[in-house]
Amino acid sequence: QQQVKQSPQSLIVQKGGISIINCAYENTAFDYFPWYQQFPGKGPALLIAIRPDVSEKKEGRFTISFNKSAKQFSLHIMDSQPGDSATYFCAASTLSGNTPLVFGKGTRLSVIA
Amino acid sequence: GAGVSQSPRYKVTKRGQDVTLRCDPISSHATLYWYQQALGQGPEFLTYFNYEAQPDKSGLPSDRFSAERPEGSISTLTIQRTEQRDSAMYRCASSFSPGGQQETQYFGPGTRLLVL
Repeated sequence: QQQVKQSPQSLIVQKGGISIINCAYENTAFDYFPWYQQFPGKGPALLIAIRPDVSEKKEGRFTISFNKSAKQFSLHIMDSQPGDSATYFCAASTLSGNTPLVFGKGTRLSVIA
Repeated sequence: GAGVSQSPRYKVTKRGQDVTLRCDPISSHATLYWYQQALGQGPEFLTYFNYEAQPDKSGLPSDRFSAERPEGSISTLTIQRTEQRDSAMYRCASSFSPGGQQETQYFGPGTRLLVL
């Protein structure tokens, strides 16, 4: 499997601050980049996803920025809240067919008051 | 169903024993995936099914691992002659797509397997 590299491994952010998580991929065939959020004891749940035909996608406080030439994408969480404390996984795949998701190792985010 | 369910939630077994894990996907979902997630890592693909067909087994670590989905709904993952390195969280996910465009995968809560 092609690797997806995710950083940082852990992140502590003050309430109201911006959380930024970065990912880089190798396989240029990837054209689907989702972010999953996982709370303790639960399975990962899709948070937001982007296709490479746009450079940015925003849903509420969550924004994905995508840089195709650098093969990098990032998740920005604006006005971070304690309820955002979770593990975040980036992933990559292709849009066509049932190709499996290739996940990053995850980032444990803690938002402190 | 309301979501993807997995059973058991926890399984402790002795090295050399066989274990079978079960996944019950969302009822309308054609595609079912199995992932293995080690502690502190992201999920890693094992295999997937489109209905009862299993087009990709490339992620299965060895021939001790096998999966079935005989009627295109519930799936089982069997690990024969378990080894300590098999200890991990095993996650199942399902998606609606029967083979077309990539769609959202809905994950179950996982089965935590511990091999002593």
